Amino acid sequence: RKEVEQDPGPFNVPEGATVAFNCTYSNSASQSFFWYRQDCRKEPKLLMSVYSSGNEDGRFTAQLNRASQYISLLIRDSKLSDSATYLCAVNGGNAGNMLTFGGGTRLMVKP
Amino acid sequence: DAMVIQNPRYQVTQFGKPVTLSCSQTLNHNVMYWYQQKSSQAPKLLFHYYDKDFNNEADTPDNFQSRRPNTSFCFLDIRSPGLGDAAMYLCATSVEGAANEKLFFGSGTQLSVL
Repeated sequence: RKEVEQDPGPFNVPEGATVAFNCTYSNSASQSFFWYRQDCRKEPKLLMSVYSSGNEDGRFTAQLNRASQYISLLIRDSKLSDSATYLCAVNGGNAGNMLTFGGGTRLMVKP
Repeated sequence: DAMVIQNPRYQVTQFGKPVTLSCSQTLNHNVMYWYQQKSSQAPKLLFHYYDKDFNNEADTPDNFQSRRPNTSFCFLDIRSPGLGDAAMYLCATSVEGAANEKLFFGSGTQLSVL
Protein backbone atom coordinates (compact mmCIF):
# COMPACT_ATOMS: atom_id res chain seq x y z
CA ARG A 1 0.00 0.00 0.00
CA LYS A 2 1.30 3.44 -0.91
CA GLU A 3 1.95 5.83 1.96
CA VAL A 4 -0.28 8.49 0.45
CA GLU A 5 -2.94 7.67 -2.13
CA GLN A 6 -5.20 9.79 -4.29
CA ASP A 7 -7.65 9.08 -7.07
CA PRO A 8 -5.83 10.39 -10.15
CA GLY A 9 -9.05 11.48 -11.87
CA PRO A 10 -9.57 13.41 -14.01
CA PHE A 11 -12.59 14.96 -12.41
CA ASN A 12 -14.46 16.82 -15.13
CA VAL A 13 -16.93 19.32 -13.68
CA PRO A 14 -18.88 22.29 -15.03
CA GLU A 15 -18.23 25.81 -13.80
CA GLY A 16 -20.03 26.49 -10.57
CA ALA A 17 -20.04 22.88 -9.43
CA THR A 18 -18.89 21.65 -6.07
CA VAL A 19 -16.21 18.97 -6.16
CA ALA A 20 -14.44 17.03 -3.44
CA PHE A 21 -11.25 14.99 -3.37
CA ASN A 22 -10.00 12.57 -0.76
CA CYS A 23 -6.49 11.50 0.12
CA THR A 24 -5.69 8.51 2.31
CA TYR A 25 -2.51 8.03 4.28
CA SER A 26 -1.06 4.93 5.89
CA ASN A 27 1.04 6.25 8.78
CA SER A 28 -1.16 6.83 11.80
CA ALA A 29 1.65 8.84 13.41
CA SER A 30 1.47 11.53 10.70
CA GLN A 31 1.14 14.97 12.20
CA SER A 32 0.81 17.52 9.43
CA PHE A 33 -1.25 17.59 6.29
CA PHE A 34 -1.32 19.89 3.30
CA TRP A 35 -2.98 20.44 -0.04
CA TYR A 36 -0.82 21.71 -2.88
CA ARG A 37 -1.93 22.86 -6.31
CA GLN A 38 0.21 22.06 -9.33
CA ASP A 39 -0.35 23.47 -12.79
CA CYS A 40 0.95 21.61 -15.83
CA ARG A 41 4.77 21.60 -15.92
CA LYS A 42 4.96 23.97 -12.96
CA GLU A 43 6.04 23.54 -9.37
CA PRO A 44 3.58 22.63 -6.58
CA LYS A 45 2.24 25.62 -4.66
CA LEU A 46 0.76 25.42 -1.21
CA LEU A 47 -3.01 25.76 -1.31
CA MET A 48 -3.71 25.23 2.36
CA SER A 49 -2.66 23.41 5.47
CA VAL A 50 -5.18 21.00 6.98
CA TYR A 51 -5.97 21.45 10.65
CA SER A 52 -7.56 18.91 12.98
CA SER A 53 -10.71 20.99 13.35
CA GLY A 54 -11.02 21.56 9.63
CA ASN A 55 -10.39 24.88 7.94
CA GLU A 56 -11.79 27.02 5.21
CA ASP A 57 -10.23 29.54 2.86
CA GLY A 58 -12.76 31.18 0.60
CA ARG A 59 -14.22 28.51 -1.68
CA PHE A 60 -11.87 25.84 -0.36
CA THR A 61 -12.49 23.66 2.68
CA ALA A 62 -10.06 21.10 4.03
CA GLN A 63 -10.86 18.43 6.58
CA LEU A 64 -8.96 15.73 8.43
CA ASN A 65 -10.38 12.40 9.55
CA ARG A 66 -7.78 10.78 11.78
CA ALA A 67 -9.88 7.73 12.60
CA SER A 68 -10.14 6.76 8.94
CA GLN A 69 -6.80 8.31 8.00
CA TYR A 70 -7.82 10.57 5.20
CA ILE A 71 -7.94 14.25 4.37
CA SER A 72 -10.36 15.93 2.02
CA LEU A 73 -10.54 19.05 -0.09
CA LEU A 74 -13.85 20.60 -1.09
CA ILE A 75 -14.03 23.25 -3.78
CA ARG A 76 -17.26 25.21 -4.07
CA ASP A 77 -18.39 27.26 -7.08
CA SER A 78 -15.63 25.88 -9.31
CA LYS A 79 -13.90 28.31 -11.65
CA LEU A 80 -12.14 27.58 -14.92
CA SER A 81 -8.95 28.71 -13.19
CA ASP A 82 -9.29 25.92 -10.64
CA SER A 83 -8.28 23.43 -13.34
CA ALA A 84 -5.05 21.89 -12.06
CA THR A 85 -3.69 18.85 -10.25
CA TYR A 86 -4.22 18.81 -6.50
CA LEU A 87 -1.55 17.04 -4.49
CA CYS A 88 -1.95 16.07 -0.90
CA ALA A 89 1.13 15.93 1.28
CA VAL A 90 1.53 14.22 4.61
CA ASN A 91 4.27 14.54 7.15
CA GLY A 92 5.78 11.11 7.59
CA GLY A 93 5.49 11.16 11.36
CA ASN A 94 9.13 10.15 11.61
CA ALA A 95 12.04 12.04 13.11
CA GLY A 96 12.92 13.49 9.75
CA ASN A 97 9.55 15.19 9.33
CA MET A 98 9.71 14.67 5.60
CA LEU A 99 6.66 15.29 3.48
CA THR A 100 5.31 12.47 1.36
CA PHE A 101 3.17 13.49 -1.59
CA GLY A 102 0.28 11.74 -3.20
CA GLY A 103 0.19 11.31 -6.94
CA GLY A 104 -2.37 14.06 -7.33
CA THR A 105 -5.94 14.37 -8.50
CA ARG A 106 -6.49 16.17 -11.77
CA LEU A 107 -9.41 18.58 -11.94
CA MET A 108 -10.77 19.98 -15.18
CA VAL A 109 -13.44 22.66 -14.90
CA LYS A 110 -15.34 23.24 -18.13
CA PRO A 111 -17.52 26.13 -19.27
CA ASP B 1 10.81 38.07 -6.67
CA ALA B 2 12.01 34.50 -7.07
CA MET B 3 13.10 33.03 -3.76
CA VAL B 4 14.10 29.52 -4.85
CA ILE B 5 15.74 29.61 -8.24
CA GLN B 6 16.47 26.62 -10.38
CA ASN B 7 18.60 26.61 -13.48
CA PRO B 8 18.19 25.72 -16.18
CA ARG B 9 14.42 25.47 -16.68
CA TYR B 10 14.91 22.79 -19.34
CA GLN B 11 17.95 20.53 -19.64
CA VAL B 12 18.67 18.02 -22.35
CA THR B 13 21.43 15.50 -21.87
CA GLN B 14 22.62 12.36 -23.57
CA PHE B 15 22.32 8.88 -22.18
CA GLY B 16 25.26 8.35 -19.83
CA LYS B 17 26.53 11.94 -19.96
CA PRO B 18 26.86 13.51 -16.49
CA VAL B 19 24.59 16.44 -15.80
CA THR B 20 24.32 18.92 -12.94
CA LEU B 21 21.20 20.80 -11.93
CA SER B 22 21.46 23.84 -9.70
CA CYS B 23 19.30 25.48 -7.08
CA SER B 24 19.79 28.67 -5.13
CA GLN B 25 17.73 30.35 -2.44
CA THR B 26 17.51 33.85 -1.04
CA LEU B 27 15.46 32.81 2.00
CA ASN B 28 18.36 31.72 4.21
CA HIS B 29 16.48 28.53 5.02
CA ASN B 30 18.31 25.73 6.78
CA VAL B 31 16.79 22.84 4.88
CA MET B 32 17.03 22.17 1.17
CA TYR B 33 15.38 19.26 -0.66
CA TRP B 34 15.59 17.61 -4.04
CA TYR B 35 12.46 15.91 -5.39
CA GLN B 36 12.07 13.93 -8.59
CA GLN B 37 8.67 14.03 -10.27
CA LYS B 38 7.88 11.86 -13.26
CA SER B 39 4.87 12.54 -15.43
CA SER B 40 1.56 12.11 -13.57
CA GLN B 41 3.35 10.84 -10.47
CA ALA B 42 3.98 12.13 -6.98
CA PRO B 43 7.09 14.19 -6.26
CA LYS B 44 9.54 11.71 -4.74
CA LEU B 45 12.13 12.88 -2.22
CA LEU B 46 15.68 12.03 -3.27
CA PHE B 47 17.60 13.67 -0.42
CA HIS B 48 17.71 16.69 1.79
CA TYR B 49 20.23 18.80 3.66
CA TYR B 50 19.71 20.11 7.13
CA ASP B 51 22.35 22.81 7.02
CA LYS B 52 25.39 20.80 5.91
CA ASP B 53 24.07 17.45 7.11
CA PHE B 54 23.24 15.30 4.11
CA ASN B 55 20.33 12.85 4.33
CA ASN B 56 19.82 10.30 1.60
CA GLU B 57 16.51 8.52 1.11
CA ALA B 58 16.99 4.75 1.30
CA ASP B 59 15.77 4.12 -2.24
CA THR B 60 17.63 6.95 -3.98
CA PRO B 61 19.90 5.40 -6.61
CA ASP B 62 23.67 5.82 -6.24
CA ASN B 63 23.60 7.50 -9.63
CA PHE B 64 22.27 10.60 -7.88
CA GLN B 65 24.58 12.74 -5.79
CA SER B 66 24.22 16.13 -4.22
CA ARG B 67 26.38 18.98 -2.97
CA ARG B 68 25.58 21.95 -0.80
CA PRO B 69 28.67 24.18 -0.73
CA ASN B 70 26.94 26.91 1.28
CA THR B 71 23.54 27.88 2.66
CA SER B 72 22.35 29.38 -0.59
CA PHE B 73 23.28 26.76 -3.17
CA CYS B 74 22.52 23.12 -3.72
CA PHE B 75 23.39 20.94 -6.69
CA LEU B 76 22.04 17.67 -8.00
CA ASP B 77 24.53 15.57 -9.95
CA ILE B 78 23.36 12.68 -12.09
CA ARG B 79 26.48 10.71 -12.89
CA SER B 80 25.19 8.55 -15.72
CA PRO B 81 21.65 9.53 -16.72
CA GLY B 82 19.45 6.81 -18.06
CA LEU B 83 16.23 7.14 -20.01
CA GLY B 84 14.34 6.46 -16.81
CA ASP B 85 15.82 9.56 -15.19
CA ALA B 86 13.88 11.88 -17.46
CA ALA B 87 11.69 13.84 -15.07
CA MET B 88 11.03 17.20 -13.46
CA TYR B 89 13.53 17.86 -10.68
CA LEU B 90 12.21 20.12 -7.98
CA CYS B 91 14.29 21.92 -5.40
CA ALA B 92 12.56 23.10 -2.24
CA THR B 93 13.47 24.77 1.03
CA SER B 94 12.02 25.07 4.50
CA VAL B 95 13.05 27.08 7.51
CA GLU B 96 13.96 24.33 9.97
CA GLY B 97 12.30 21.20 8.61
CA ALA B 98 9.62 21.14 11.31
CA ALA B 99 6.53 19.03 10.70
CA ASN B 100 4.17 21.94 10.15
CA GLU B 101 6.38 24.03 7.88
CA LYS B 102 5.50 24.74 4.27
CA LEU B 103 7.92 23.95 1.49
CA PHE B 104 9.04 26.68 -0.89
CA PHE B 105 9.57 25.18 -4.33
CA GLY B 106 11.65 26.39 -7.21
CA SER B 107 10.14 26.30 -10.69
CA GLY B 108 11.84 23.00 -11.42
CA THR B 109 14.19 21.71 -14.10
CA GLN B 110 12.66 19.46 -16.74
CA LEU B 111 15.32 16.94 -17.69
CA SER B 112 15.22 15.08 -20.99
CA VAL B 113 17.59 12.20 -21.71
CA LEU B 114 18.27 11.34 -25.35
